Amino acid sequence: EVQLVESGGGLEQPGGSLRLSCAASGFTFSTYAMNWVRQAPGKGLEWVSASGSGGSSYYADSVKGRFTISRDNSKNTLYLQMNSLRAEDTAVYYCAKESIPGVGKRGGFDFWGQGTLVTVSS
Amino acid sequence: QTVVTQEPSFSVFPGGTVTLTCGLSSGSVSTSSYPSWYQQTPGQAPRTLIYSTDTRSSGVPDRFSGSILGNKAALTITGAQAADESDYYCVLYMGGGIWVFGGGTKLTVL
Repeated sequence: EVQLVESGGGLEQPGGSLRLSCAASGFTFSTYAMNWVRQAPGKGLEWVSASGSGGSSYYADSVKGRFTISRDNSKNTLYLQMNSLRAEDTAVYYCAKESIPGVGKRGGFDFWGQGTLVTVSS
Repeated sequence: QTVVTQEPSFSVFPGGTVTLTCGLSSGSVSTSSYPSWYQQTPGQAPRTLIYSTDTRSSGVPDRFSGSILGNKAALTITGAQAADESDYYCVLYMGGGIWVFGGGTKLTVL
């Protein structure tokens, strides 16, 4: 059974940093791209970043230069380092698995974690 | 910047059929956009319904189907049930590793 468990959320001041983790199980983690998707309170879903199975990283314009995605295939864990946090980064952050395995393969997201709440406020 | 468009709201009677769409502010949606559909109820994580245009996710009833209709992606729900009252989001692949979600459709089952 695929499981994705996010952690690391919390309250942080503007300009601060947080590191989110997503522990994965139930599939061959190293062969799938992984994504972070966020949802601000009362708003829709927003794709944030992806880590390809081949090591590539991709970012939404809204976080480029401030957030860094990484993965540790030996620990089956995805990370999101969030720096220079802003109030508008306040959201539930979800980890989502790509549906198709392989480098450069796309299909959409098939499994989601339960999310971790990040609140940026002074 | 390309925007992914969805109907803000839609209504359907129990037992009825509804088709939600997902388009682009400029251009057409194709299978190369890998359109995917997600259902979300308040306070819950999204649930995957359809990925890669028309592949039903595990455990999703065949009342839900995905397709390309004209220049848009479409999610069709047949035999609508009260439990289908949710927010529905689509996401499209823009190339270069970038995905963009639509704004979501709030479906009401009357």
